[in-house]
Amino acid sequence: ETGVTQSPTHLIKTRGQQVTLRCSSQSGHNTVSWYQQALGQGPQFIFQYYREEENGRGNFPPRFSGLQFPNYSSELNVNALELDDSALYLCASSLGGTAYYGYTFGSGTRLTVV
Amino acid sequence: RKEVEQDPGPFNVPEGATVAFNCTYSNSASQSFFWYRQDCRKEPKLLMSVYSSGNEDGRFTAQLNRASQYISLLIRDSKLSDSATYLCVVTYGGSQGNLIFGKGTKLSVKP
Repeated sequence: ETGVTQSPTHLIKTRGQQVTLRCSSQSGHNTVSWYQQALGQGPQFIFQYYREEENGRGNFPPRFSGLQFPNYSSELNVNALELDDSALYLCASSLGGTAYYGYTFGSGTRLTVV
Repeated sequence: RKEVEQDPGPFNVPEGATVAFNCTYSNSASQSFFWYRQDCRKEPKLLMSVYSSGNEDGRFTAQLNRASQYISLLIRDSKLSDSATYLCVVTYGGSQGNLIFGKGTKLSVKP
């Protein structure tokens, strides 16, 4: 079974630009969650998608948006990038939208905003 | 007050030492509890779930005290390969199961 894959692995953007990060969920998983991990901090929940619908959102502004596709892959879009958006963005897939069955994380996209 | 708080660390211990990590959570409605391990510049990986009765997996023992809203992880006979950041994680139903992470405690095991 394939794990969670994220692309790109690294990215450098300029303040004010827009970025799209991609995630392919683990085979058989129908839920994708996105997390932001700043340096020296634990991951912070951005939002979760379950069967193509947003299923929960953390304390992030609307310029953070997402999509989930019929094959359960997902995108995270960030508009009007700010310097503080520099972080590791992690995608995690699971089955059923709860933690009960466990989460599998991808290796992340490291975004640097300059 | 942060939802999940951990020992700030870092912990620097010799091989073979026993080390304990502590974690407290603020939401009494928290339902599930985990310890994750994160190696430098890698993704978090589930180390173990934590149950009210306590659970053990080899050299690792996790305990949960719901009354005190406290979680612990004990590592016995630490190995060089245990060097990592240990993240305390809770979930509660109102959040649709999303993971609430602590800041993490870094462990360095030295020869």
